[in-house]
Parts: sequence; structure tokens; C-alpha cells
Amino acid sequence: EPEVTQTPSHQVTQMGQEVILRCVPISNHLYFYWYRQILGQKVEFLVSFYNNEISEKSEIFDDQFSVERPDGSNFTLKIRSTKLEDSAMYFCASSVIVIDTQYFGPGTRLTVL
Amino acid sequence: AQTVTQSQPEMSVQEAETVTLSCTYDTSENNYYLFWYKQPPSRQMILVIRQEAYKQQNATENRFSVNFQKAAKSFSLKISDSQLGDTAMYFCAFMIGGYSGYALNFGKGTSLLVTP
Repeated sequence: EPEVTQTPSHQVTQMGQEVILRCVPISNHLYFYWYRQILGQKVEFLVSFYNNEISEKSEIFDDQFSVERPDGSNFTLKIRSTKLEDSAMYFCASSVIVIDTQYFGPGTRLTVL
Repeated sequence: AQTVTQSQPEMSVQEAETVTLSCTYDTSENNYYLFWYKQPPSRQMILVIRQEAYKQQNATENRFSVNFQKAAKSFSLKISDSQLGDTAMYFCAFMIGGYSGYALNFGKGTSLLVTP
């Protein structure tokens, strides 16, 4: 069964450094999402992406964040200058159409020191 | 604003028993979708079941079923014949259909422990 994959599974970085989290959505899916989950808290929406542009973003998704689909398979989340509070689990998800089940990847655990 | 409330932070059930996890939500929209996701200790988010608001029939998926009460804005998850592998965090989530957003709005979760 097709699944969303994410790399790396765990990323450790120093405060102020740039990180890029990578996702490969399910191949026939057209809508892509990033969510984050700070340890012990609920999952929060960051951004949705369709047709090579952002379709919706939350207040969390400020200028430090950007997303890109650099080729036909990858979907990336870049954090320009990481802060301690960016430490969280980051989930990528994808769906076939907008009003549809979102399938999640296994997550990338980001630790900012 | 759309909100999702899971009033039970933790629950425990014995193997083979039945347990019900509650979820309420608040929206003025009429077209929306509800989901239950499971997050085991590995922290991966796994879809358990989904319900479209326009469907009156409650969704079922093997041992998992929902009790969807649209007027009461309630969406509870029933797990029958609980298994040790059901131990996980369970999140109720809500999505509005249409232009206003594609984001899933999650509740804070219920931690379910299945004991032998």
C-alpha cells in the first residue's frame, strides 16, 4: 500500500541554523500538508499546498517557514533560522483531493539545541 | 472558530472489553468531515475512521465504530474487543469542506491504555 515517507526521522540542529525537512507524498495525491506536534500537545496545522502554491497557512507559519515542491515527488519544509520552540514532531500529509482523508507520514522529530 | 474537545485525557480498558472515547466539536458550517486518528508510541498518525457530516449512517471499520450525533455535535469512537495493540493516543479531528480551509483541526487527544 502506498504511503507517505519523511526524512530524516530525527534531526538535531543548533539554534539559528536552517533545516529542511523532506517528504515524499503518495504519488497520485495532489494536496500536501505540514503539521507539527510539540511534545505532549495536540497536532497543529501549518500549511497546505496545491498546484505549486500555498493554499492555506496558519498563524504559526510565519516568514521563517517556507515550503517547496522542487521536483515531481518531493515536498519540503524549510525553517530558516530555528528557535528552541521549533522543537517538535513535524508531520507531512497528503490527500488525493482537497475534501478527502489526509494520510500522514511517520514524522520527523526536530530537536533544536 | 472551529473547536474540537476531547474531555477524557486518559482512559483504560481491559483486553476484549469495549471502550468509548468522546469528542465534541463546534462549527456553524454544514458541510464537514470528522476523523479519528490513532498515534501509537511510535508517534505515527494512523487513520482509524472517517465520517462525512451529510451521511446519517454511522461509519464502521471492523472493531471501530462511531456514534455521530450531528445535532449534538458529538462524534464518539467505540472500540470493541479491545486489543493490546490499541494502546495509543487517539485524536478526534475535524475538516470543513469547501474554500474556507483544508486544514485538519485536532482535539488534544485521549490516551488509551489496554491492559491484559
